[in-house]
Amino acid sequence: ETGVTQTPRHLVMGMTNKKSLKCEQHLGHNAMYWYKQSAKKPLELMFVYNFKEQTENNSVPSRFSPECPNSSHLFLHLHTLQPEDSALYLCASSHLAGAAGELFFGEGSRLTVL
Amino acid sequence: GENVEQHPSTLSVQEGDSAVIKCTYSDSASNYFPWYKQELGKGPQLIIDIRSNVGEKKDQRIAVTLNKTAKHFSLHITETQPEDSAVYFCAASRTLNSGGSNYKLTFGKGTLLTVNP
Repeated sequence: ETGVTQTPRHLVMGMTNKKSLKCEQHLGHNAMYWYKQSAKKPLELMFVYNFKEQTENNSVPSRFSPECPNSSHLFLHLHTLQPEDSALYLCASSHLAGAAGELFFGEGSRLTVL
Repeated sequence: GENVEQHPSTLSVQEGDSAVIKCTYSDSASNYFPWYKQELGKGPQLIIDIRSNVGEKKDQRIAVTLNKTAKHFSLHITETQPEDSAVYFCAASRTLNSGGSNYKLTFGKGTLLTVNP
């Protein structure tokens, strides 16, 4: 496996469900990110983890709960979501947060909240 | 915070023509300006970037120009091909050594480029 892998690729959930998105990177990077991509909007940074420590929470509602057990894995736990949370959720990694450099994105998890 | 405006939102060109996408930014301390390409069903991928100590950078058919005084930067694609069809995003950020408290890349809304055969 190479690069950044996200699972599941597609997820449909009700507003009362609890689900999780998973991201795994095989690049030896130290920083991992969650972005939200909605139609006709800029990519929105949600969370940043650097060496497993959360360094950025971009005013994200508490119904989104990130977890970073190690530098290679990142989760986004979802509970009691709203229909407006339907979007493509992108995971990315980079060598180091804070140093300008390439972000490597996964292919995203398409979330639909009914 | 930083604000990045990107134009146009859609661009259609004939194969072989050039395409230009323009972005403006608001934070004069921003010093890193990447461009990402997102193909259908895939995540964005970096295609070129430029730092504030450089005015222009070229990589084969792709070039980026930066005007720090005017706070705008542009992506130029020459001799476009159908495989260039995608959504292109510009972005801007400070880095830690330019006064930023953390790495925070601000993206534009994207430009859907269609190259017609």
